[in-house]
Amino acid sequence: EPEVTQTPSHQVTQMGQEVILRCVPISNHLYFYWYRQILGQKVEFLVSFYNNEISEKSEIFDDQFSVERPDGSNFTLKIRSTKLEDSAMYFCASSLSGRDTEAFFGQGTRLTVV
Amino acid sequence: AQSVTQPDIHITVSEGASLELRCNYSYGATPYLFWYVQSPGQGLQLLLKYFSGDTLVQGIKGFEAEFKRSQSSFNLRKPSVHWSDAAEYFCAVGAGNNRKLIWGLGTSLAVNP
Repeated sequence: EPEVTQTPSHQVTQMGQEVILRCVPISNHLYFYWYRQILGQKVEFLVSFYNNEISEKSEIFDDQFSVERPDGSNFTLKIRSTKLEDSAMYFCASSLSGRDTEAFFGQGTRLTVV
Repeated sequence: AQSVTQPDIHITVSEGASLELRCNYSYGATPYLFWYVQSPGQGLQLLLKYFSGDTLVQGIKGFEAEFKRSQSSFNLRKPSVHWSDAAEYFCAVGAGNNRKLIWGLGTSLAVNP
């Protein structure tokens, strides 16, 4: 069964460092998403990506964040200068289309900023 | 504003007992509704979804949910809980053309043997 894969599963980084979280969406899917879940809080939408550009982003997704689909398979989330409050579980998801289909999620990357 | 409320933070049931997890939503248009489950160390797995049509939807692992527009609810049910159902359950509504998901806080389910 096709699945969304995320690497690494856990990353520890020092405050101020750049991190790149990687995702391989399901191959025929067209919409890609990043969500995050700070411990004890709700899962929050960060950004959606379609047709090689951001289609929607939340207030959380400020200039420190960027997304890229560098090739036909990977979808990355970059945090330029990490802060302590960026510590969270980051989930990548993909869907066949934005409407009328469900999103499939990866296992998540736990980011710990120290 | 769009929102999802799961009133129960934590529920404990005995194995074999029935289960109902509550979900209420606030959304201006016809909602696309989802239940996801997260087992320890695992990702988010779709249990079931409601887009349109029959308001009682069946999902995986013996779960079902009923959409009640008049109550803005989409409660998840299972007639007989198994120990392997212990997990975190999230209700979500799909919003906008991109169908970004707006999430509830989740309900943690513990199952007593």
